[in-house]
Amino acid sequence: SAVISQKPSRDICQRGTSLTIQCQVDSQVTMMFWYRQQPGQSLTLIATANQGSEATYESGFVIDKFPISRPNLTFSTLTVSNMSPEDSSIYLCSVGSRGYEQYFGPGTRLTVT
Amino acid sequence: KQEVTQIPAALSVPEGENLVLNCSFTDSAIYNLQWFRQDPGKGLTSLLLIQSSQREQTSGRLNASLDKSSGRSTLYIAASQPGDSATYLCAVGGSNYKLTFGKGTLLTVNP
Repeated sequence: SAVISQKPSRDICQRGTSLTIQCQVDSQVTMMFWYRQQPGQSLTLIATANQGSEATYESGFVIDKFPISRPNLTFSTLTVSNMSPEDSSIYLCSVGSRGYEQYFGPGTRLTVT
Repeated sequence: KQEVTQIPAALSVPEGENLVLNCSFTDSAIYNLQWFRQDPGKGLTSLLLIQSSQREQTSGRLNASLDKSSGRSTLYIAASQPGDSATYLCAVGGSNYKLTFGKGTLLTVNP
């Protein structure tokens, strides 16, 4: 299994600002993903972070709002831009392994005031 | 579009009881199904992965079954303990590793 860390673990941000979340994996992985978990809801896939190319976004998510970087096979960032209270969520990164099993990081709890 | 439903939404049981959590999905063309545990304010811990060609997987006191044709999976927990209290999430894997999650079952095991 992969060990995944995220920074920050939590943050409180003001409306209109941006926050960049970091995801670090202890081994090289091909597939990295970013999910959002809104309060009381389940997880929704935001995008697939592709190494060396632009991220692939799911319906309802756009690059201007959630820019993603994937500079190498162990690291990715997700930025939540121009935040509003509706962006208050837990943001999680995950990685895929052989057999398609996915492992998740501890999450970043974001509160927008 | 794949939809995943988990029943019940919440479950409270006394310690030692055996229990079953249910997961159903609408599109049977899946690659796999994964069960996770989520503790409050935490990330997800992978419990069991069942490939589409498998019928069940076991890990310790946990047993997960998969009936792809009927779009159902169950997670069986034997001899429940207070430490099992958490939200249990079912996720169906499609192409390109994409997971579709259910809303989860909140399990409380009372001492």
